[in-house]
Amino acid sequence: DTGVSQDPRHKITKRGQNVTFRCDPISEHNRLYWYRQTLGQGPEFLTYFQNEAQLEKSRLLSDRFSAERPKGSFSTLEIQRTEQGDSAMYLCASSLELSGDTDTQYFGPGTRLTVL
Amino acid sequence: GQNIDQPTEMTATEGAIVQINCTYQTSGFNGLFWYQQHAGEAPTFLSYNVLDGLEEKGRFSSFLSRSKGYSYLLLKELQMKDSASYLCAVRAMDSNYQLIWGAGTKLIIKP
Repeated sequence: DTGVSQDPRHKITKRGQNVTFRCDPISEHNRLYWYRQTLGQGPEFLTYFQNEAQLEKSRLLSDRFSAERPKGSFSTLEIQRTEQGDSAMYLCASSLELSGDTDTQYFGPGTRLTVL
Repeated sequence: GQNIDQPTEMTATEGAIVQINCTYQTSGFNGLFWYQQHAGEAPTFLSYNVLDGLEEKGRFSSFLSRSKGYSYLLLKELQMKDSASYLCAVRAMDSNYQLIWGAGTKLIIKP
């Protein structure tokens, strides 16, 4: 069990460019979550998948954000036409959802995005 | 609406005990989590409470009172490595069972 991994760990881009982040969850986990976190705040929910199905997306999430989990394993988060306000840490978490279980989320190391 | 409150910052002495409080307002409570987050790193899971009472796990304990919308994380025998932010997160029906996170409590440990 290698834990949740994310790539890249850091990304610097210019305003208006597109960026894509990858998350590899813990192998047997069926749920995958994307969060955004800024300094001094808790994680903000963006979206989550159960297997390959995207079950929920935050109402606060701009149409510039899209996520996929094509085969129910790794996931990608794309941000189009980046803005300076998109600068944040993007966290991925995974969990194993079983009936009656706690559904504890385990986080990856995050991708820190800086938009210039 | 949903609201989670934690103190912004606390200071404690190495070897001592500290209690970090979390209050919440939600509808359809379905569990409360505590996570530890060192600066620049991802949150790591500490504890989970869904029923009233105290859950003990080594130096860390977590308490829940659902009727009061209140939880605390108790850290004993503080070590310098415990300097971190501690995040309280609540899962509830009115958030479609997604975790709603507090802003975190930054704990500073002094020698």
